[in-house]
Amino acid sequence: DSGVTQTPKHLITATGQRVTLRCSPRSGDLSVYWYQQSLDQGLQFLIQYYNGEERAKGNILERFSAQQFPDLHSELNLSSLELGDSALYFCASNSGGRSSYNEQFFGPGTRLTVL
Amino acid sequence: GIQVEQSPPDLILQEGANSTLRCNFSDSVNNLQWFHQNPWGQLINLFYIPSGTKQNGRLSATTVATERYSLLYISSSQTTDSGVYFCAVGVTTSGTYKYIFGTGTRLKVLA
Repeated sequence: DSGVTQTPKHLITATGQRVTLRCSPRSGDLSVYWYQQSLDQGLQFLIQYYNGEERAKGNILERFSAQQFPDLHSELNLSSLELGDSALYFCASNSGGRSSYNEQFFGPGTRLTVL
Repeated sequence: GIQVEQSPPDLILQEGANSTLRCNFSDSVNNLQWFHQNPWGQLINLFYIPSGTKQNGRLSATTVATERYSLLYISSSQTTDSGVYFCAVGVTTSGTYKYIFGTGTRLKVLA
């Protein structure tokens, strides 16, 4: 158990809908990272938050957004969903800041299926 | 941008065999991690190894940062070792830091 929790584990929805994925980092970690794993694109970095502020952006679509709350949990919002958004979404955490180079600890993932 | 290539893409072993998985990267990196993704999709940290050699039971890893590669050794493989092995490198580009994952090595260990 990495100490990173993600909810829900599975999510099935329809095209055009909006969903929210939730992540709680390990105790004491300030940085949260979101990743998408799809069959055709592999594992891709989406976005990083550090202590409530956006720190780095990867291949995140404009239809997707994220935020990190004062209690350090993070939410990834996916809107106007398309079939191609079906994927496994991972959250990871580490201490962040100057220690961003430290290892990342991954949650169990949320499997999103868009029908 | 940086390229992260893993080889071989697929590997089938008989239980008890040894194997070496390779991760090549095309530019300098800040760190490197090896993960095992089990059949249930869970990503399990194996090693955080920006340089040097580490061992954990039947697994060991070596990263030679100056030559831009890392190796993961699996000895006396077991069926529970099956899954996909990923390396991920941390890089800083235009002032931002991100992880780039390789395409993975899919390992199947036969009983």
